[in-house]
Amino acid sequence: RKEVEQDPGPFNVPEGATVAFNCTYSNSASQSFFWYRQDCRKEPKLLMSVYSSGNEDGRFTAQLNRASQYISLLIRDSKLSDSATYLCVVNLNSGNTPLVFGKGTRLSVIA
Amino acid sequence: DAMVIQNPRYQVTQFGKPVTLSCSQTLNHNVMYWYQQKSSQAPKLLFHYYDKDFNNEADTPDNFQSRRPNTSFCFLDIRSPGLGDAAMYLCATSPRGAMNTEAFFGQGTRLTVV
Repeated sequence: RKEVEQDPGPFNVPEGATVAFNCTYSNSASQSFFWYRQDCRKEPKLLMSVYSSGNEDGRFTAQLNRASQYISLLIRDSKLSDSATYLCVVNLNSGNTPLVFGKGTRLSVIA
Repeated sequence: DAMVIQNPRYQVTQFGKPVTLSCSQTLNHNVMYWYQQKSSQAPKLLFHYYDKDFNNEADTPDNFQSRRPNTSFCFLDIRSPGLGDAAMYLCATSPRGAMNTEAFFGQGTRLTVV
């Protein structure tokens, strides 16, 4: 089983739609979780951290389910500018361990 | 102001000609990463430094080396670039072991091998 798994998509949704992505991780000792957004030919940029209690930032909601070892990202009222690849990132936060990236989920929002 | 700076943004090198990519940071973070990202793929970790401790991923080819002379700078050396090494190379930093602290990425260096 891969450390971090995501559905690669693409998810093609109309403007205004609600779309959700899931990401599963294999290491139950993982401590920190993030969603990054990456535009074509650009570097990844942090979209939001994911906290145990769930967190919301405008149209974006992230949830963590430790029991089932997955995190989710919900985007409401999709905009054309939301079109990007969304990367799930997991960190063990113990000493010398690096961030682990999922392969990303591609989203295309269509007018 | 950019906190993780990669130079150059674009690099063209000849097949087999050594090339060095550089990364600097103003964040004083302990950890620095080098990722390779090919088109439509996730960033692939090549190696990372935890302070001066170098950690190589098992599947990183020997052709790739790294140096971290001080906290602020980290270099990626590709000794004999092949066509398959053409990619975006991303440098990132993070503080050691901090909870819920993300990695900060530079803008990347896009390497072309001709």
